[in-house]
Amino acid sequence: EAGVVQSPRYKIIEKKQPVAFWCNPISGHNTLYWYLQNLGQGPELLIRYENEEAVDDSQLPKDRFSAERLKGVDSTLKIQPAELGDSAVYLCASSQTQLGEQYFGPGTRLTVT
Amino acid sequence: AQSVTQLDSQVPVFEEAPVELRCNYSSSVSVYLFWYVQYPNQGLQLLLKYLSGSTLVKGINGFEAEFNKSQTSFHLRKPSVHISDTAEYFCAVRNAGNMLTFGGGTRLMVKP
Repeated sequence: EAGVVQSPRYKIIEKKQPVAFWCNPISGHNTLYWYLQNLGQGPELLIRYENEEAVDDSQLPKDRFSAERLKGVDSTLKIQPAELGDSAVYLCASSQTQLGEQYFGPGTRLTVT
Repeated sequence: AQSVTQLDSQVPVFEEAPVELRCNYSSSVSVYLFWYVQYPNQGLQLLLKYLSGSTLVKGINGFEAEFNKSQTSFHLRKPSVHISDTAEYFCAVRNAGNMLTFGGGTRLMVKP
């Protein structure tokens, strides 16, 4: 069974540029999560989807961050414009149900210069 | 609100020695506790979890953890570590909505 797939694995951009990250969850997993992991810290939840509905986005900085999960499968997280402080690893996770075990992807490491 | 504190940011240990990684939590409701491992440039992998029942939980790769409600702790232990155990370890607490709150992580460095 394939795990959670994320791309790109690494991204370097200049500040003020836009960037997008893509996540393909495990097949059949209805719940999808985006986490932000700063260097030397634990992951922090940005947004959670139940199918195509965002059910918890209270930690998502909505002035520059946006996310979508069209058709309730793949998801895209976007930053526009990026700031230096956005340099971090962005992790995607999925679970079969709302209370199921979360499986994590390898993450996208973003560097903003 | 819930929070997790991992008391040691780094733990150096020699190969084949025992190790304990400490985790304390605070939560106002029933707790569900997890330990994850993160190898370099990889995502998090579940090591073990406590949902209910026996307070001693066994996980993968020879790790175990003990839930101590009175001390609000969930320390991770392994009796004999290998070089391959070198990684970052995260303790997490889950609320009723399946939201995970992670600690800051402990870097385990196993030396030959």
